[in-house]
Amino acid sequence: DVKVTQSSRYLVKRTGEKVFLECVQDMDHENMFWYRQDPGLGLRLIYFSYDVKMKEKGDIPEGYSVSREKKERFSLILESASTNQTSMYLCASSTGRGDIQETQYFGPGTRLLVL
Amino acid sequence: GDSVTQMEGPVTLSEEAFLTINCTYTATGYPSLFWYVQYPGEGLQLLLKATKADDKGSNKGFEATYRKETTSFHLEKGSVQVSDSAVYFCALSEYNQGGKLIFGQGTELSVKP
Repeated sequence: DVKVTQSSRYLVKRTGEKVFLECVQDMDHENMFWYRQDPGLGLRLIYFSYDVKMKEKGDIPEGYSVSREKKERFSLILESASTNQTSMYLCASSTGRGDIQETQYFGPGTRLLVL
Repeated sequence: GDSVTQMEGPVTLSEEAFLTINCTYTATGYPSLFWYVQYPGEGLQLLLKATKADDKGSNKGFEATYRKETTSFHLEKGSVQVSDSAVYFCALSEYNQGGKLIFGQGTELSVKP
């Protein structure tokens, strides 16, 4: 079974702090994704990566950056956390065959509260 | 741009009732369509998918048919159980978009005994 793990289930940070959210997958997947989930808005793509050291902006990249130094690990960074970044953050991975029908596998999510 | 619209929730049903969650999409090409489910406290998991017009995806008693003429992918189940209580997301993926998913807003389903 594919396993996608996220470093924390719950996180409380203060405004202005730098925040790191870590995601690790164990299936040698090429693609990795970061989404945020907000009520009534569904999931919105923040950043994604097709390969090590590669990154692409999603629909809402402002205020975020990412790092992919190893294939299995994809980090989301909030450079200076703000209250409007309070949300549920979900990481996902997929094989990266370039197939539009491929499945994304999700981690359990990190619920971030910024005070 | 591409988009997915789902019926608003929450949807509350009694056990063994029939379920329909509506999903319509807008896409420039010929997308693949998905339903993902999120159980309480968990991440999303794929429920079913369909890759071309008139395909029917099915899993765990749930079904959805890819209707190109109405740009719809409605989720149905004949008899829901309490364990089906979850949030359901409709999503699409377009060719040449690297497997990116575009999600609807999600529909919360609550099934009462």
